[in-house]
Amino acid sequence: EPEVTQTPSHQVTQMGQEVILRCVPISNHLYFYWYRQILGQKVEFLVSFYNNEISEKSEIFDDQFSVERPDGSNFTLKIRSTKLEDSAMYFCASSGGGALKEKLFFGSGTQLSVL
Amino acid sequence: AQSVTQLDSQVPVFEEAPVELRCNYSSSVSVYLFWYVQYPNQGLQLLLKYLSGSTLVKGINGFEAEFNKSQTSFHLRKPSVHISDTAEYFCAVSDDNQGGKLIFGQGTELSVKP
Repeated sequence: EPEVTQTPSHQVTQMGQEVILRCVPISNHLYFYWYRQILGQKVEFLVSFYNNEISEKSEIFDDQFSVERPDGSNFTLKIRSTKLEDSAMYFCASSGGGALKEKLFFGSGTQLSVL
Repeated sequence: AQSVTQLDSQVPVFEEAPVELRCNYSSSVSVYLFWYVQYPNQGLQLLLKYLSGSTLVKGINGFEAEFNKSQTSFHLRKPSVHISDTAEYFCAVSDDNQGGKLIFGQGTELSVKP
């Protein structure tokens, strides 16, 4: 079965540094998402992306966050100046169009640790 | 606003026993309901989903769930669990206008013991 690939699996960074989390969605998918899970808490929606623009974002997704699909295959999440509370597991997901829109395929996540 | 509550954070069960993982939701509009499973060091995998139609939904690995609109519940069941079912299970809801924006419950850790 096709899968969503995320790199790196673990990322350690210093507070205030910029990080870029990378994702390769399934090739014919149209909708792309980022979710995160802080340790011990719920998986939370961050942002959805369709047709090269953000379609929806949560209140968590403030000006420090941005997403990009730079080359038609990768989908990245950038955190401009990381804070301690950004430490979490970040999941990328993608889905197809039409009736397949509701079936999200998730990557295995990137564990971000901000020190 | 939508929300999802998974009433049990941990469910220990013996192999071959039946299991039910509970999920209740609140929403003012029609919803789609999902169960995802997360095995250790892996991503979230869709177990099953309810969009419309029959309220009993069958998924992968022998799991099923029943949508109960009056009780706003979507409990997950399996009649006989295996050691390999040990994982974290997440219930999620989406507004049918929101597409892939899922609201997750806090998860239930299923631990199957021999």
